[in-house]
Amino acid sequence: NAGVTQTPKFRVLKTGQSMTLLCAQDMNHEYMYWYRQDPGMGLRLIHYSVGEGTTAKGEVPDGYNVSRLKKQNFLLGLESAAPSQTSVYFCASNGRMTASGNTIYFGEGSWLTVV
Amino acid sequence: ELKVEQNPLFLSMQEGKNYTIYCNYSTTSDRLYWYRQDPGKSLESLFVLLSNGAVKQEGRLMASLDTKARLSTLHITAAVHDLSATYFCAVSLSNSGYALNFGKGTSLLVTP
Repeated sequence: NAGVTQTPKFRVLKTGQSMTLLCAQDMNHEYMYWYRQDPGMGLRLIHYSVGEGTTAKGEVPDGYNVSRLKKQNFLLGLESAAPSQTSVYFCASNGRMTASGNTIYFGEGSWLTVV
Repeated sequence: ELKVEQNPLFLSMQEGKNYTIYCNYSTTSDRLYWYRQDPGKSLESLFVLLSNGAVKQEGRLMASLDTKARLSTLHITAAVHDLSATYFCAVSLSNSGYALNFGKGTSLLVTP
């Protein structure tokens, strides 16, 4: 997917370990989002950011923290991983809204397993 | 709380047949999106619908929006195997950074 890069793509963690997922976009977008996808649940919003230095909670924020120190990067942290956080994580970005509609770009996903 | 409901959640259809996926949402929204996802892949944008009565078509897929009924449809014409995938609708709200609220997805299987 053009412009949104997630790292790492795969990771296995032990319960209680910490890690950070990095999302980088090169489209100068204002808005960035972190979602998780679980079977049968669709995608659920974890946290989002409306600009550099800002973050806000989404639908399922517990157990996660985020930071947006630079406009192009949005970091998702797990301080103490739990098996319930086993999921596929998607980052997305969105530019300023236009009258003709916006395409929201998604990264390729990060597969996280907590054992 | 914005709710987005899709139906059906699973759909098996024969090649050449027509079918419609429905997406209902619970509150006024700025815009409605349709995405396609293949197994193990990311989401591919199909359509963005902005206004009441909007209709967009791409190949065998046509999406429409009725904001008064809070309903969008994705119509599949003469299905082919390559359309097998999961389809999501999503709505965005300006008061949450235009974040998307997704339905649970419709898993479509097109068989010969």
